[in-house]
Amino acid sequence: GENVEQHPSTLSVQEGDSAVIKCTYSDSASNYFPWYKQELGKRPQLIIDIRSNVGEKKDQRIAVTLNKTAKHFSLHITETQPEDSAVYFCAASKGSSNTGKLIFGQGTTLQVKP
Amino acid sequence: NAGVTQTPKFQVLKTGQSMTLQCAQDMNHNSMYWYRQDPGMGLRLIYYSASEGTTDKGEVPNGYNVSRLNKREFSLRLESAAPSQTSVYFCASSEAQIQGSNTEAFFGQGTRLTVV
Repeated sequence: GENVEQHPSTLSVQEGDSAVIKCTYSDSASNYFPWYKQELGKRPQLIIDIRSNVGEKKDQRIAVTLNKTAKHFSLHITETQPEDSAVYFCAASKGSSNTGKLIFGQGTTLQVKP
Repeated sequence: NAGVTQTPKFQVLKTGQSMTLQCAQDMNHNSMYWYRQDPGMGLRLIYYSASEGTTDKGEVPNGYNVSRLNKREFSLRLESAAPSQTSVYFCASSEAQIQGSNTEAFFGQGTRLTVV
């Protein structure tokens, strides 16, 4: 089955700096790659996603890149702010399975220092 | 719309006790899921249901059973709780596909379960 590896497990940056989180996946049939943000004590919520027919997607300060050949994708946060502090999860799923099930990475705890 | 609603929010069980976690969604989604979240392990899929009347094992199904009661409701049962099942449990749901790939999963607020 699908396996998703996420690095780093913790990341500390100064406010205003950029943060990058990387994920690799094992199943070449995976074609949907969402990123979720989970604030302390809250539920995970989608912040951005990318499908395998595009290589990059941006939404204001966040962007995701996908390299299908290498089977890895990354989350980029620019001009980080203290409210970006949270746990971030990447995930992968196969459209062919038609179940929508997501396999998640282990999570990255991002701390943005004021 | 309430989205995905889970009950209870907190629960303490003794080893060997049983309980059922309830989940309901009001978004008319076909697929529903149960995940557990443990420190450093991410979100691991326990069971999922792609449609009413079907259920399948995920990554960590041992010690759990599920029921897809109808399109709205998907319950998770622990028959004989063990300390290793201490975790935060999340229910989620999603709709079908766009361009042959899957779509956003919406999560419930979570259930913090402690087994002593």
